[in-house]
Amino acid sequence: KNEVEQSPQNLTAQEGEFITINCSYSVGISALHWLQQHPGGGIVSLFMLSSGKKKHGRLIATINIQEKHSSLHITASHPRDSAVYICAVGQGAQKLVFGQGTRLTINP
Amino acid sequence: DAGVIQSPRHEVTEMGQEVTLRCKPISGHDYLFWYRQTMMRGLELLIYFNNNVPIDDSGMPEDRFSAKMPNASFSTLKIQPSEPRDSAVYFCASSSATAYGYTFGSGTRLTVV
Repeated sequence: KNEVEQSPQNLTAQEGEFITINCSYSVGISALHWLQQHPGGGIVSLFMLSSGKKKHGRLIATINIQEKHSSLHITASHPRDSAVYICAVGQGAQKLVFGQGTRLTINP
Repeated sequence: DAGVIQSPRHEVTEMGQEVTLRCKPISGHDYLFWYRQTMMRGLELLIYFNNNVPIDDSGMPEDRFSAKMPNASFSTLKIQPSEPRDSAVYFCASSSATAYGYTFGSGTRLTVV
């Protein structure tokens, strides 16, 4: 079993829909990261969380440390949100362990 | 800051040749990481440095791979000799223990033919 599990692996939705991507982990962590990767592109750090909730524009990330679970939400989704979203866990500034990614496609 | 800078962006080389990938981390970041991304295995850590010292190289596939960080502003990942199975995207990232920030470079897409 992978240390970091994401669901779903693939998600297709219509523009405007509310999107949720889930991440569960089995190891002790001090921080959880949500990353975004566009096709053929680099990796962008969206959030780093150690507790609670963070919001940036239409993106919201939550984490429940006790349940070892995090969610990434996208409100009013747009085709430009189409990308692979990767959950990664780590110890502070040190190495990350990655989930397998969720491929999101938003159709106009 | 220009972010984490990697070069080259693309590299095509013949099997058996030496390949050198380069990375300039964000100034002030004291951790530097080399990751590899493939379709089959996703993102994997190869090696990471703290204050220019290698801390964990357990992800380096074999002796053909080596990494150095001669100073705080430069690191290299070398593959010698290269093999087709080394074809992947190699990402460098840097982070700071004292401030928020985990930044990836744009990656080097390596193709070994």
